[in-house]
Amino acid sequence: NAGVIQTPRHKVTGKGQEATLWCEPISGHSAVFWYRQTIVQGLEFLTYFRNQAPIDDSGMPKERFSAQMPNQSHSTLKIQSTQPQDSAVYLCASSLDQGLGTSAETLYFGSGTRLTVL
Amino acid sequence: GEQVEQLPSILRVQEGSSASINCTYENSASNYFPWYKQEPGENPKLIIDIRSNMERKQTQGLIVLLDKKAKRFSLHITDTQPGDSAMYFCAAMPNYNVLYFGSGTKLTVEP
Repeated sequence: NAGVIQTPRHKVTGKGQEATLWCEPISGHSAVFWYRQTIVQGLEFLTYFRNQAPIDDSGMPKERFSAQMPNQSHSTLKIQSTQPQDSAVYLCASSLDQGLGTSAETLYFGSGTRLTVL
Repeated sequence: GEQVEQLPSILRVQEGSSASINCTYENSASNYFPWYKQEPGENPKLIIDIRSNMERKQTQGLIVLLDKKAKRFSLHITDTQPGDSAMYFCAAMPNYNVLYFGSGTKLTVEP
């Protein structure tokens, strides 16, 4: 089991450019989450998919950020017109998501994509 | 959603002493409270969790306490070792498996 795979590990963009981040969840996991990590905010929830369907995107900035999960093996987070304040480590996580009362809530994080916007 | 406050943000202790991290939450619907440890250059990993039907849980030098009335939970690391130096995140889950994390505590265990 390779764990959650995120690519690229590092991405540098110029202000106003687009950035696309990729995530491959653990095979068999039905839930995929995106978080943003900064020193000031810690781990911020962005969005959540269950069985590829978007369930909760309440943490996503309404403009410029979008996420998709076109199939069970990958999800993408796209940031349009990147700004310096978007610089952060973007973490993808997956879980079995079989409901409360089990250990299925355990999140398995990828190594993250460090986005730097110049 | 949920708002989780975590203190302190920085904690330094001497090797062999105990370390305590405290978190509070707002949503009374939250019923699952895990703790994740993130070592430098690594991704966060679950180390212990507690559900709302419990008040205390202990495993391998880690103790978690939950006070539902006060909406407060805490992690206590006994007999700290240099290997315990890391970032620690508390989290709360109010519904459909979304974890909301605190801002983290950087623990340094000094020899």
